[in-house]
Amino acid sequence: AQTVTQSQPEMSVQEAETVTLSCTYDTSESDYYLFWYKQPPSRQMILVIRQEAYKQQNATENRFSVNFQKAAKSFSLKISDSQLGDAAMYFCAYRSTDSWGKLQFGAGTQVVVTP
Amino acid sequence: SQTIHQWPATLVQPVGSPLSLECTVEGTSNPNLYWYRQAAGRGLQLLFYSVGIGQISSEVPQNLSASRPQDRQFILSSKKLLLSDSGFYLCAWSWGASDTGELFFGEGSRLTVL
Repeated sequence: AQTVTQSQPEMSVQEAETVTLSCTYDTSESDYYLFWYKQPPSRQMILVIRQEAYKQQNATENRFSVNFQKAAKSFSLKISDSQLGDAAMYFCAYRSTDSWGKLQFGAGTQVVVTP
Repeated sequence: SQTIHQWPATLVQPVGSPLSLECTVEGTSNPNLYWYRQAAGRGLQLLFYSVGIGQISSEVPQNLSASRPQDRQFILSSKKLLLSDSGFYLCAWSWGASDTGELFFGEGSRLTVL
């Protein structure tokens, strides 16, 4: 079974600075999806960014970018120019291509943004 | 565009009472549907998923059941709630035939069993 590990329970960052969240996963598959979801205090899960394992290029969405290291099974999220609205719990998630959309989530990292 | 709604948003129920959480998706057909539970301070655990009407797969043994009476409707139920059923429940959908990988989540339902 696949496992997703987020080793940082909480990360603090100042406004306008950059923070990187780490995520590692364990799988024997060669093709899969990886995601970062954001869960603000409202509790709704919001997709931040997705990466397909067969793509070499790291995904980018505005101020959010990933560093995907397939051989190392690492998938970190970088938040640049942090804003107060970025404060939330961030979850890394894995999905194999044949798992009918079943996501395996990490335990989450709480991001605190200070003025 | 596609939307997903679930209700009620908040529910306080006594132990032993029944439960019904409902989720509907609009703007797409034949979606895959999911129920997740999030215990306090923890990640998400998949409870049920469905790839079509009447097709339900359960991921973990528990006191809950799910049904999909219509293509875009997913219901989470219990006949008798336990204290351990308390948590935050999230419904989600993904594309069926043209799967792009990601799940789209509803607003969530917070259940407190007393």
